[in-house]
Amino acid sequence: EAGVAQSPRYKIIEKRQSVAFWCNPISGHATLYWYQQILGQGPKLLIQFQNNGVVDDSQLPKDRFSAERLKGVDSTLKIQPAKLEDSAVYLCASSRRGAYEQYFGPGTRLTVT
Amino acid sequence: AQTVTQSQPEMSVQEAETVTLSCTYDTSESDYYLFWYKQPPSRQMILVIRQEAYKQQNATENRFSVNFQKAAKSFSLKISDSQLGDAAMYFCAYRRPNTGTASKLTFGTGTRLQVTL
Repeated sequence: EAGVAQSPRYKIIEKRQSVAFWCNPISGHATLYWYQQILGQGPKLLIQFQNNGVVDDSQLPKDRFSAERLKGVDSTLKIQPAKLEDSAVYLCASSRRGAYEQYFGPGTRLTVT
Repeated sequence: AQTVTQSQPEMSVQEAETVTLSCTYDTSESDYYLFWYKQPPSRQMILVIRQEAYKQQNATENRFSVNFQKAAKSFSLKISDSQLGDAAMYFCAYRRPNTGTASKLTFGTGTRLQVTL
């Protein structure tokens, strides 16, 4: 079974620019998560989807971050405009509906200069 | 809100020896799940072991075992017969039970484990 795919693996942008990350979850996984991992910290949930509906986006900075999951499969996370403090690894994870285990992708390392 | 604390930023162990990583958490829930995840330099989080709070028996997965003390809200990970491939960041994580569909993981700050020859 193929794992969670993410792209790009690395991205460097200047502050105030925009950037988008893509995630393809494991086939059949209804739940998709985006986590932000700042250097030296544990991952923090940004948004959780169940199929194509948002379950939890309480920690998503909605003035600059947006996410969508079309047709309940792939998802994109966008930052516009980026700030220096957005430099982090963005991890995508997926799970079967109601399952305890989340499967993580390799992440995208974002550097904002 | 639930919090997870890992008080050891770094640990070191010699190959073939045993090491214990500490984790404490705070919650008002009586039912929940606890996990240890491994994150190697490749950044991909890998589930090492899980524990359901309603189970008194400590979970074991090959060389990995936990010491779950529910009253003390403590959840330590013991790695036996350490191998070079065990070197990584280890994160303790908490998950609420299946109340509705919200099921995020709350992570600690991690412990970096070095394995020496």
